[in-house]
Amino acid sequence: QVQLVQSGAEVRKPGASVKVSCKASGYNFTAYYMTWMRQAPGQGPEWMGWINPSSGGTNYAQRFQGRVSMTSDTSINTAHMELTRLRSDDTAVYYCARVRGLGLDYWGQGTLVTVSS
Amino acid sequence: HSVLTQPPSASAAPGQRVSISCSGSTSDIGSNVVNWYRQIPGTAPKLLMYSNNLRPSGVPDRFYGSKSGTSASLAISGLRSEDEADYFCAAWDDNLNGLVFGGGTRVTVL
Repeated sequence: QVQLVQSGAEVRKPGASVKVSCKASGYNFTAYYMTWMRQAPGQGPEWMGWINPSSGGTNYAQRFQGRVSMTSDTSINTAHMELTRLRSDDTAVYYCARVRGLGLDYWGQGTLVTVSS
Repeated sequence: HSVLTQPPSASAAPGQRVSISCSGSTSDIGSNVVNWYRQIPGTAPKLLMYSNNLRPSGVPDRFYGSKSGTSASLAISGLRSEDEADYFCAAWDDNLNGLVFGGGTRVTVL
């Protein structure tokens, strides 16, 4: 069965960086794009971008350009999302999700990132 | 920061029908398909409807999606207590070159 398992919760100070991982299993990792989103409390998800694990090609949301980096390691079927220069308003739950056709059909369990001094 | 507009809440009695609207623009809903996600608080969203009105395997036909112009809607008929959740619409935005979501609608079964 398809599973996306994310790394655990993180706490960072403003200005620091955080890297979240997403390990995929149960399907051909290189056959589907992986997308990353975040969700602040009480709000809808916010799309951050996606990566093609096969080629490493990426497409980042404009508001995160220059601060986000998405990578993939096909040897261990894992995608990573790194966000730099963290601010307090980056506090959110971060999700990875598999892109299938026109929908996000499997999601990771989410990783809480807290940015606080 | 949500680009798509949804009502914050909707409710109906068990067995009744509830409808959720999702309003966008020509660059998102007006040009691309709409997907819907269901989220139980504290858990990850799950795909509920894709390509406007197609249900993934396992989603009952009590759930119905539609789209017209720059708006979409999700209807739930025969409402059950387990339908209580947050529902989000999403679509690709050609101007932003990215995926946009609604702020979510919390459905309550009275």
